[in-house]
Amino acid sequence: DQQVKQNSPSLSVQEGRISILNCDYTNSMFDYFLWYKKYPAEGPTFLISISSIKDKNEDGRFTVFLNKSAKHLSLHIVPSQPGDSAVYFCAAPAILNYGGSQGNLIFGKGTKLSVKP
Amino acid sequence: DTGVSQDPRHKITKRGQNVTFRCDPISEHNRLYWYRQTLGQGPEFLTYFQNEAQLEKSRLLSDRFSAERPKGSFSTLEIQRTEQGDSAMYLCASSQRTGIESYNSPLHFGNGTRLTVT
Repeated sequence: DQQVKQNSPSLSVQEGRISILNCDYTNSMFDYFLWYKKYPAEGPTFLISISSIKDKNEDGRFTVFLNKSAKHLSLHIVPSQPGDSAVYFCAAPAILNYGGSQGNLIFGKGTKLSVKP
Repeated sequence: DTGVSQDPRHKITKRGQNVTFRCDPISEHNRLYWYRQTLGQGPEFLTYFQNEAQLEKSRLLSDRFSAERPKGSFSTLEIQRTEQGDSAMYLCASSQRTGIESYNSPLHFGNGTRLTVT
């Protein structure tokens, strides 16, 4: 079973506060995770990633945390800005039968973030 | 870097008609992927190419769907005898993979072709 789950369809946050987007996965063989951001009428844009050998990766206002024992990752945005309002997708490369990956990504359903001024 | 380009942006067709979409990947990228996205869902994998070779097809890709990448550059996705259930956003993505160390290269997506079947 290879699934990536985002159980919160939407999140509303005040500008300047922290946004926390959550993602769970089912397969402990996943070894790399990515977050994409999508604006309406545009394709998803890569935001940040994390390898399973790390538990944190930071890039400016964006930090991703990985908890392998819980099969859970989260994206923190601090401080949140109105321009961050978008749909955020969590993704992981699909695992082939022999354990490798072809780079094809499995996506969650996304969380729509609204940052209010 | 001109990004991934998809054409057309929108397509409205009647049920039963055939449609073809085009994707131009980032020029140095050897991998090209097709995804489909419906409302409230994340992108779902359809198929991918490494250079001109189609290496995998999803079970979502019924026999009415065919994809090609004849010279390892642009790709086309054709849907024959369209059905209303084919209405979706069709996304193309590309990446560069030259060895094991680069298999985690992020996919770069185009802005998609929105198909409406009436």
